Amino acid sequence: GQNIDQPTEMTATEGAIVQINCTYQTSGFNGLFWYQQHAGEAPTFLSYNVLDGLEEKGRFSSFLSRSKGYSYLLLKELQMKDSASYLCAVRNNFNKFYFGSGTKLNVKP
Amino acid sequence: ETGVTQSPTHLIKTRGQQVTLRCSSQSGHNTVSWYQQALGQGPQFIFQYYREEENGRGNFPPRFSGLQFPNYSSELNVNALELDDSALYLCASRRGTITSTDTQYFGPGTRLTVL
Repeated sequence: GQNIDQPTEMTATEGAIVQINCTYQTSGFNGLFWYQQHAGEAPTFLSYNVLDGLEEKGRFSSFLSRSKGYSYLLLKELQMKDSASYLCAVRNNFNKFYFGSGTKLNVKP
Repeated sequence: ETGVTQSPTHLIKTRGQQVTLRCSSQSGHNTVSWYQQALGQGPQFIFQYYREEENGRGNFPPRFSGLQFPNYSSELNVNALELDDSALYLCASRRGTITSTDTQYFGPGTRLTVL
């Protein structure tokens, strides 16, 4: 089966750094994805890891440890517009995606 | 803008009715996946279509069915609607073969309400 866990909600201050964790147990692994989803909108792709280590894309970075079944998304220099849900998704060996329930991030002034 | 479009945007149906949702994939994308997202939850995988054939299915009953057309657009059909079918239905497209590693891009979704 598939099990993907992430915190339900987090709060951080504008300008700060926040780390959103994701742990997973899946039958087969072919990549881990992070998506951002604003309320009432579709998810938009943020980052992708298939090998261990850190991938950096501007203010967003994502880390993967396959042996630990663990990933995190790091958001730097938080802006108010970063208030959204962040979804962790794992793709298995059959190219099917399994999503966590999402972490709602509240950015306060 | 991901180039993936869905119609209709919103839909209201009553229990027992049938519904068809439509998705046009991004140009060059031949794989379409459908997801159901209940309020406050992550998307749940319904099924995936590759070159007009279903290629993998999640834990959804047979009353959820789909089609993919030669132009790679797709339909999701749900029969005998139940109240719990109320959700946002998302389609996502990507290119390549079943084993390719391209990411998928989501359409804006169809909000279905079952009364």
